[in-house]
Amino acid sequence: EVQLVESGGGLVQPGGSLRLSCTASGISVSRNYMSWVRQAPGKGLEWVSVSYSGGTTHYADSVKGRFTISTHNSKDTLYLQMNSLRPEDTAVYYCARVRGLPGEFDYWGQGTLVIVSS
Amino acid sequence: DTQMTQSPSTLSASVGNRVTVTCRASQSVSTRLAWYQQKPGKAPKLLIYDASRLEGGVPSRFSGSGSGTHFTLTISSLQPDDFATYYCQQYNSYPWTFGQGTKVEVK
Repeated sequence: EVQLVESGGGLVQPGGSLRLSCTASGISVSRNYMSWVRQAPGKGLEWVSVSYSGGTTHYADSVKGRFTISTHNSKDTLYLQMNSLRPEDTAVYYCARVRGLPGEFDYWGQGTLVIVSS
Repeated sequence: DTQMTQSPSTLSASVGNRVTVTCRASQSVSTRLAWYQQKPGKAPKLLIYDASRLEGGVPSRFSGSGSGTHFTLTISSLQPDDFATYYCQQYNSYPWTFGQGTKVEVK
């Protein structure tokens, strides 16, 4: 059974940093394409970033230059380093497995809430 | 960027109704389109991929069609468990984008 478990969310001040983690079981992070998707309170879904095996990454314009996606293959963990956080980054952040290249999100974590506020 | 526009934003229906949600892309996405169902406080769930392929374990009352810029999600006979918000998403070009969502509510 595939499980994705996010952690690391919390309250942070504008301009601050936070690192989210997504630990996978049942699949290998190093052999899959993994993504982050966020959802602001009461709003729709927004794709944030994707990491392909071998290191290729892509970002939404809204986070480019501030967020960095990475993997720790031996720990089967996906990360999202978020710097220079803004109030508009407040959202539930989901990690998801991307099936195929490109492809749909077939497995999702339960999400972790990030609140950017003073 | 490819904008995805869903209609309607809210749909009121009764159990047993046939329900159709439309998703339009601002440029062609071929058939690289998925549909998700989301319930409050839960992660989205994949229903349809490649515009018309049913994800394993998803009831056959769900179906998808379309290509290019016009897509539809149809629920042939709405069930109590289907009241939720539905999103389309294109993965043809970066940035991958979602529609704004369609809430299916009890009439």
